[in-house]
Formats: sequence, C-alpha cells, structure tokens
Amino acid sequence: NAGVTQTPKFQVLKTGQSMTLQCAQDMNHNSMYWYRQDPGMGLRLIYYSASEGTTDKGEVPNGYNVSRLNKREFSLRLESAAPSQTSVYFCASSGTGARRNQPQHFGDGTRLSIL
Amino acid sequence: RKEVEQDPGPFNVPEGATVAFNCTYSNSASQSFFWYRQDCRKEPKLLMSVYSSGNEDGRFTAQLNRASQYISLLIRDSKLSDSATYLCVVKRPGGYNKLIFGAGTRLAVHP
Repeated sequence: NAGVTQTPKFQVLKTGQSMTLQCAQDMNHNSMYWYRQDPGMGLRLIYYSASEGTTDKGEVPNGYNVSRLNKREFSLRLESAAPSQTSVYFCASSGTGARRNQPQHFGDGTRLSIL
Repeated sequence: RKEVEQDPGPFNVPEGATVAFNCTYSNSASQSFFWYRQDCRKEPKLLMSVYSSGNEDGRFTAQLNRASQYISLLIRDSKLSDSATYLCVVKRPGGYNKLIFGAGTRLAVHP
C-alpha cells in the first residue's frame, strides 16, 4: 500500500547542477502536484498535472520543469540549481470525479540542499 | 496579505485540555476547506474536511464561517500524540483542484 512514492529522500547539489525528482502514485489518481515547503510558509504549488498529458504552472514555477510521464509518474526537474531552491519538496496526487472535496495525498518529501 | 492566515503558535497545552485554532482566508469565493496535520519532518496528512454545517470526527470538530471567512478546529481531551502542526487549507475557486496552504499552527501537548 505505497500511495505516493518520492525519490530521492535527500539530496545535496552544487549551484548550477541539475537533477530530477521522481514521484509515482499507485492510487490510479488523475491529478498530480509538486509543492515546495519553506520555513514559516505554507506549501506552495510549483506545477500540477490535471491529467495524463497535461501540465500547468502553479504559484512558483520559475527554475523548474515537469514531465507527466504516464498516469502514475510525475517528475520535477531543476535544470540549474540555485541556493534559493533549497527546500523540502512534496509530490501529491488526488482523484477527480463527483466528490466535491478531493483531498490530496502526499509523498514523504525530498529534502534538497543547494550549496 | 496571505491568502490563508494562521497563528503560528506554538500552543502549549496539558494533556486533557481543549484547544482551538482559527484560520482566516481572503477569497470569499473559496469552495472547499480542509485541515491537514503535519508531524515534524513528515508529509501533510488530511485530518478532516470542513463542511458549512460544521462536522465532528471523534475529538475533533471543524467549523466554517463563510460570512467572516474563517475556519476553526477544536480538539477536545488533547493527547500527547496530537502534538503536530495543523495546516489550514482552502481550495481556490474555479480552475482546478488548487489548494492554498496556511503556514500552520504548532501544537505541543505536554504531560
């Protein structure tokens, strides 16, 4: 019963390096999200994917790209990491349908430090 | 002004106490409301949805006041295991399932 799985759990990068954060869900959810969480701030949406084949910008998309590889997987890429991108990154997924309140289910998070 | 505002706390209460958190939101057209719980260095987890008529889940009661644009969470008979950060979450009107998270209120329950 994995739910939402993120890899890696921890990563340290040097400024300018690139990396991809991976996310997979096994709940057959249509929608997936990437957030970042910084001290004293709420989670902020970076990108989301309403359904397979679509992606849209959230509140803080600059410096990031995403790929919705298939229904299960949604990856987040930092092309040229900057210290301001040091944060905890959470992937989430949610179902769609008639239910008005569709909660989002989160992965364990990736703690990323950019030196 | 933040779209969702919460008192960061911490609220330090003894076991067995009743504690209440409030949260205000700025967009009067917001549609859905939730409380999430986040333990230290863990992912947020849904605690409960908040309905217009108010709703209860065991020791937890959530209320919504649309006129004043605030949401509350009441915890009765606090347990040590209730120590966590409680996130107020509001769904933006229109568009997709975009949630706006408050920065959270920290609760510490002590023996």
